[in-house]
Amino acid sequence: DGGITQSPKYLFRKEGQNVTLSCEQNLNHDAMYWYRQDPGQGLRLIYYSQIVNDFQKGDIAEGYSVSREKKESFPLTVTSAQKNPTAFYLCASSIRWDRLVHEQYFGPGTRLTVT
Amino acid sequence: QQQVKQSPQSLIVQKGGISIINCAYENTAFDYFPWYQQFPGKGPALLIAIRPDVSEKKEGRFTISFNKSAKQFSLHIMDSQPGDSATYFCAASPTGGGNKLTFGTGTQLKVEL
Repeated sequence: DGGITQSPKYLFRKEGQNVTLSCEQNLNHDAMYWYRQDPGQGLRLIYYSQIVNDFQKGDIAEGYSVSREKKESFPLTVTSAQKNPTAFYLCASSIRWDRLVHEQYFGPGTRLTVT
Repeated sequence: QQQVKQSPQSLIVQKGGISIINCAYENTAFDYFPWYQQFPGKGPALLIAIRPDVSEKKEGRFTISFNKSAKQFSLHIMDSQPGDSATYFCAASPTGGGNKLTFGTGTQLKVEL
């Protein structure tokens, strides 16, 4: 049963703490992505990774960090430097990154609340 | 800078009616235009997509209409059903941009009985 797993579904943290969101895929996809979703703002790209051991900043990378040590895993760390971390975070993957655009498959998301 | 503008923000349609959601873009390098459907608490899923070499694409009750000169594209849902109630996002990707999608702000569709 292939897909993208994000855990946990809900996450609560105190302000000033770093928190890591998990994203795992068993689709054998090369490319992975992290988006942030806020009401009325659509999905905004935080980081993306074209292939293992590689990643690039998206449109709103400040206050976030990622790693891509394994093909199937792309964890996102929300640091204390992120001014408004409370949001719904979505991980996605696509078969590869090249000239053509490939369908992105999304995970179920993690809702992070920071108080 | 919002590169893909989506309207309306919310939409209520009677069962059996036609739902229409519009998007406009500015970047003429965009050449791939997907629509995603998202149910509450879930991740978005690809619904239908179009490239600018055609003006219309139909899949079942869902149709994308594309107007390259006006830089606009729209989603039409025919015979709308309560199960279609969801948030819909348009998106766009540029030539050579790999999979870097720019999303619209979303439309909450409610189909009433």
